[in-house]
Amino acid sequence: SAVISQKPSRDICQRGTSLTIQCQVDSQVTMMFWYRQQPGQSLTLIATANQGSEATYESGFVIDKFPISRPNLTFSTLTVSNMSPEDSSIYLCSVVGSGANVLTFGAGSRLTVL
Amino acid sequence: AQKVTQAQTEISVVEKEDVTLDCVYETRDTTYYLFWYKQPPSGELVFLIRRNSFDEQNEISGRYSWNFQKSTSSFNFTITASQVVDSAVYFCAWGDSSYKLIFGSGTRLLVRP
Repeated sequence: SAVISQKPSRDICQRGTSLTIQCQVDSQVTMMFWYRQQPGQSLTLIATANQGSEATYESGFVIDKFPISRPNLTFSTLTVSNMSPEDSSIYLCSVVGSGANVLTFGAGSRLTVL
Repeated sequence: AQKVTQAQTEISVVEKEDVTLDCVYETRDTTYYLFWYKQPPSGELVFLIRRNSFDEQNEISGRYSWNFQKSTSSFNFTITASQVVDSAVYFCAWGDSSYKLIFGSGTRLLVRP
């Protein structure tokens, strides 16, 4: 299965700032997703990162708050904009590889907003 | 709308005990997939199994086994002879061909020595 590298693995951010998380995959993948896991909670899908076009957002998530880029089949970024303490979460990148039938997750990026 | 329920918030067992984690799902789709993931304290999500809706065969992998019953919309996970390293949060999830997963709330398993 694909190997996913996420950066940063963790960060402490100030309220009002923005942070960009990178997701790099070691092989071309057909689908990439971004999930959020709030403290002690389950995972919630933020959006599908579409290669070369705008991401598809789930209900409750908007592009202005979580802009996503996917310039090619191996890389995507998620920006958390104008952060507040409520954005403190683990953000996870996940992918479905070509010919694969499972969703693989990165190790996640743990953000703490003060 | 689809929904996944893991009613057991936390389970504590003594090492070597068997333990079953329950998962109940709701869907009107006829084609779908069910997953189990393990999230150890390190935080990484580890894939355990994927089952499609047309395959109700039970599966065994070492100490792990899964029981899929469409009649009760359940996909339960049993760990036989539990070990301390099995301590983690386990998530059940539902997905369709889009691979957008809907996760249950998770069950925290604590295996005590």
